[in-house]
Amino acid sequence: DAGITQSPRHKVTETGTPVTLRCHQTENHRYMYWYRQDPGHGLRLIHYSYGVKDTDKGEVSDGYSVSRSKTEDFLLTLESATSSQTSVYFCATSVPGTDTQYFGPGTRLTVL
Amino acid sequence: AQTVTQSQPEMSVQEAETVTLSCTYDTSENNYYLFWYKQPPSRQMILVIRQEAYKQQNATENRFSVNFQKAAKSFSLKISDSQLGDTAMYFCASGDSNYQLIWGAGTKLIIKP
Repeated sequence: DAGITQSPRHKVTETGTPVTLRCHQTENHRYMYWYRQDPGHGLRLIHYSYGVKDTDKGEVSDGYSVSRSKTEDFLLTLESATSSQTSVYFCATSVPGTDTQYFGPGTRLTVL
Repeated sequence: AQTVTQSQPEMSVQEAETVTLSCTYDTSENNYYLFWYKQPPSRQMILVIRQEAYKQQNATENRFSVNFQKAAKSFSLKISDSQLGDTAMYFCASGDSNYQLIWGAGTKLIIKP
């Protein structure tokens, strides 16, 4: 499996505060993704990146922004966290041509 | 829009039995990949098996195999000799032309001792 780490693994924050989640990979995979997972909804794509500084929106991008300044790092930012953003967030990477995605361990975010 | 449907929200079987999880998908792509991922209580998403649509032969990985029916757009997962460690959520996914995966809602599988 790809070496993918996420930090922090758990976070509790208050409504209105900014939050940044970090995804770090050591496999030099070109594509990176941020998902959220909520009961009854499976995995939903927030944003993805197809290269350094190249990002695009997924199906649930409102309230989230991303940045990718290096191949290995993909940051997800909640500019002003809301309770509806309480969720488990997963980062994934993939290599073009296979569609296979490799996942990080997830971050549980609670917004009070 | 592409869709992936898993019609069984939850299943349970006895240890050592064989179980089949269903998945249907809808795509306009000619060539694509299909996947089954497993998510145990640890929450880690683990690739179980992958099928390339242009390959006729069904993919197998040890006790896991698929029944891929391209014309019917069906992609079921068979787990033979089920073990307690197979207890998990199982997600079916299909690749699209934009390097994204379309995900099903998941099937919760419980293996009973």
